[in-house]
Amino acid sequence: GAVVSQHPSWVICKSGTSVKIECRSLDFQATTMFWYRQFPKQSLMLMATSNEGSKATYEQGVEKDKFLINHASLTLSTLTVTSAHPEDSSFYICSARDLEGAKYEQYFGPGTRLTVL
Amino acid sequence: EDKVVQSPLSLVVHEGDTVTLNCSYEVTNFRSLLWYKQEKKAPTFLFMLTSSGIEKKSGRLSSILDKKELFSILNITATQTGDSAVYLCAVRFYNFGNEKLTFGTGTRLTIIP
Repeated sequence: GAVVSQHPSWVICKSGTSVKIECRSLDFQATTMFWYRQFPKQSLMLMATSNEGSKATYEQGVEKDKFLINHASLTLSTLTVTSAHPEDSSFYICSARDLEGAKYEQYFGPGTRLTVL
Repeated sequence: EDKVVQSPLSLVVHEGDTVTLNCSYEVTNFRSLLWYKQEKKAPTFLFMLTSSGIEKKSGRLSSILDKKELFSILNITATQTGDSAVYLCAVRFYNFGNEKLTFGTGTRLTIIP
């Protein structure tokens, strides 16, 4: 089956620093990747949709200058949390849609837990 | 406003019981409804439903969609402790040409041995 990896799994950083999270589709090509954020005991909230070779589409209320998304290839998208603050601490999950997925299925990565001190 | 509502929020049953989880939605340009199981990490895919009245089945799990009444149910029979998880319902739709996947708040299912 399709596998999506994320790196790192867990990151702790100081307030004010930037953190980059990678999302890779390991055995398929993904024109579209999605970035979600999940706070404790809450559901996944879509932050942005990332299309290979073009600018990401951000959801309302998500600061594009703070959450920089780059989708430079069909297998890699990155999310950079710039000048992170404690309120950015959350579980960040990416998902990728198979290029040939006519039946549609999003494959989720294992998530990255960000803790900002 | 597009929304996905799941009920109940939390459910505790004994092993062997059958449970039904509900998901209702209000979206424009509906495309499909998906069910996921989330334990400690990212969600794992269970079912995708696009047509009304056609039951999807996988072992003890089954799901069906009603596009007229705008809801879906997920059934789990003969529950086991390994079924304990948060079950998420998500609806795929198009909004101003953009594809979106909106999740419900989830149902936390706990199976007591």
